[in-house]
Amino acid sequence: EAGVAQSPRYKIIEKRQSVAFWCNPISGHATLYWYQQILGQGPKLLIQFQNNGVVDDSQLPKDRFSAERLKGVDSTLKIQPAKLEDSAVYLCASSSLTGLAGMAYEQYFGPGTRLTVT
Amino acid sequence: GENVEQHPSTLSVQEGDSAVIKCTYSDSASNYFPWYKQELGKRPQLIIDIRSNVGEKKDQRIAVTLNKTAKHFSLHITETQPEDSAVYFCAARRSPRFFGNEKLTFGTGTRLTIIP
Repeated sequence: EAGVAQSPRYKIIEKRQSVAFWCNPISGHATLYWYQQILGQGPKLLIQFQNNGVVDDSQLPKDRFSAERLKGVDSTLKIQPAKLEDSAVYLCASSSLTGLAGMAYEQYFGPGTRLTVT
Repeated sequence: GENVEQHPSTLSVQEGDSAVIKCTYSDSASNYFPWYKQELGKRPQLIIDIRSNVGEKKDQRIAVTLNKTAKHFSLHITETQPEDSAVYFCAARRSPRFFGNEKLTFGTGTRLTIIP
């Protein structure tokens, strides 16, 4: 099966500029995740969608970050305005929707977008 | 919320020796514990996972053990090879809600270097 696609792969912007990332999950995967991975750290969840609804955005800096998944498939993550500390790899992941409580499906990660804010 | 601690942050072992990476978690409701391998500049990839209803799982040279009472789990790699060099992340997840998925909370990672 095709994997999770992300674009762009690399982006360099100046602080206070805006940037947007795109993710196309594996076909049929209802759950989509955006993670931020700062160099030397583990991925940190920013937002989780189930179909086109937000399940968890508790760690999303909502004053500058926004995300949408309007048709329940592709998703975009936007940063406006960017700060130096936003420099990181932004990973998108997707997983199947569990049908039974207690089941857990693997999350498949995309290649990530490496953002550098100067 | 869940907090996952991972040790050590770096680990160097001679080729052929074993490597062990340990993680602890805080949320007693967590019941799914995957391990991801991330090579430089690449995406994290699942290498093995364990659910709370078992204490150990093995897949060729890789094994994971879980102690629910102590809330810790470990990754064991035997007969290490140069291609095992990477950053390894542990993670934990609560039981998903009906028709839902819960988030993964990741550890801080262990950089494993295999010395030829």
